[in-house]
Amino acid sequence: SQKIEQNSEALNIQEGKTATLTCNYTNYSPAYLQWYRQDPGRGPVFLLLIRENEKEKRKERLKVTFDTTLKQSLFHITASQPADSATYLCALLAGTALIFGKGTTLSVSS
Amino acid sequence: NAGVTQTPKFQVLKTGQSMTLQCAQDMNHNSMYWYRQDPGMGLRLIYYSASEGTTDKGEVPNGYNVSRLNKREFSLRLESAAPSQTSVYFCASRDRTLMNTEAFFGQGTRLTVV
Repeated sequence: SQKIEQNSEALNIQEGKTATLTCNYTNYSPAYLQWYRQDPGRGPVFLLLIRENEKEKRKERLKVTFDTTLKQSLFHITASQPADSATYLCALLAGTALIFGKGTTLSVSS
Repeated sequence: NAGVTQTPKFQVLKTGQSMTLQCAQDMNHNSMYWYRQDPGMGLRLIYYSASEGTTDKGEVPNGYNVSRLNKREFSLRLESAAPSQTSVYFCASRDRTLMNTEAFFGQGTRLTVV
């Protein structure tokens, strides 16, 4: 079965540093991958999408890469701020089913 | 623009009781999803509906049933609630006709089965 793995449950970094989150998948060849942010007590909110033919996508301080050979996507937050503290989830489409990884909880300390 | 609306927001059930979680979206989306979220387990897909009139099982469908009442509404039913179904339930929708579209989520239903 398809699997999506986010390599760490928690990541703690200092303000101003770059946070890098990893998403790996197996047994599937998605046309694109999505990243969401989830704050406590709230539903996930879409951040970025990257297609299989795109190596990199940027939005303000966010950058996503997609390596179909490694079956991996990296999500970077540059110049991180305490307000970036949240859980970040990657997701892909398996047919019409949208499947999520378990998420990585990022804590940015000032 | 309300987006995805879930009712209720909180619910406490006794073991064996039944209930239906309601979800409605006003974005004319064709695909709708039900997830449960437990600590350390992430979002797990229970059931989904690619379009009106169709439903499919996700990763964890046991103990649940769904109804795609119309294009707007997708309900999740627990026929005989069990403590293992204590969780936060999220409904989501997306436009399947476009290739690269994101999902929109409701605010969640926090369910406790005692």
